[in-house]
Amino acid sequence: EAGVAQSPRYKIIEKRQSVAFWCNPISGHATLYWYQQILGQGPKLLIQFQNNGVVDDSQLPKDRFSAERLKGVDSTLKIQPAKLEDSAVYLCASSLVGTGVAFFGQGTRLTVV
Amino acid sequence: QKEVEQNSGPLSVPEGAIASLNCTYSDRGSQSFFWYRQYSGKSPELIMSIYSNGDKEDGRFTAQLNKASQYVSLLIRDSQPSDSATYLCASWGNYGQNFVFGPGTRLSVLP
Repeated sequence: EAGVAQSPRYKIIEKRQSVAFWCNPISGHATLYWYQQILGQGPKLLIQFQNNGVVDDSQLPKDRFSAERLKGVDSTLKIQPAKLEDSAVYLCASSLVGTGVAFFGQGTRLTVV
Repeated sequence: QKEVEQNSGPLSVPEGAIASLNCTYSDRGSQSFFWYRQYSGKSPELIMSIYSNGDKEDGRFTAQLNKASQYVSLLIRDSQPSDSATYLCASWGNYGQNFVFGPGTRLSVLP
């Protein structure tokens, strides 16, 4: 069974530029999460989808971050414009609805300079 | 604000010893609890889940849950250097169906 796929693995951008990350969840997993993990900290939930609907985006900085999951499968997370403090690993995870067991992708390491 | 707290460590134990990792959570509505292991530069991987009070054993790992005390722990028996990693505790509530992660405890198993 294929795992959660993310791309790119690494990205370096200058502040005020924009960047997008892509995630393909495990087949059949209706729930998809985007997490931000700053070095030395635990993952922080940015947004949770169930199919193509948003369940929780209370911690998403909506002035600069956006995310979509148009067909209920793949998802993209965008940052525009990026700030230095956005430097982190962005993790995508997926799970079956109601199971609470999430599987993570390899993450995208973003460096904003 | 739902919170999960862990001692950030580092926790150092000698090879072959028992490592004890602890976690407390603030939301009494949390239903399920998970321990994830995260090696440096890698993504978290699930190692244990626990849903009801008591102990749950899986190989060298034992998870313990006490909902009255809002406390979760993970014991690793016969610790190996390969167990050296950061261990993340997470809570999950049915109503919100999202995870809240703690900051993680860094474990170092010394040969």
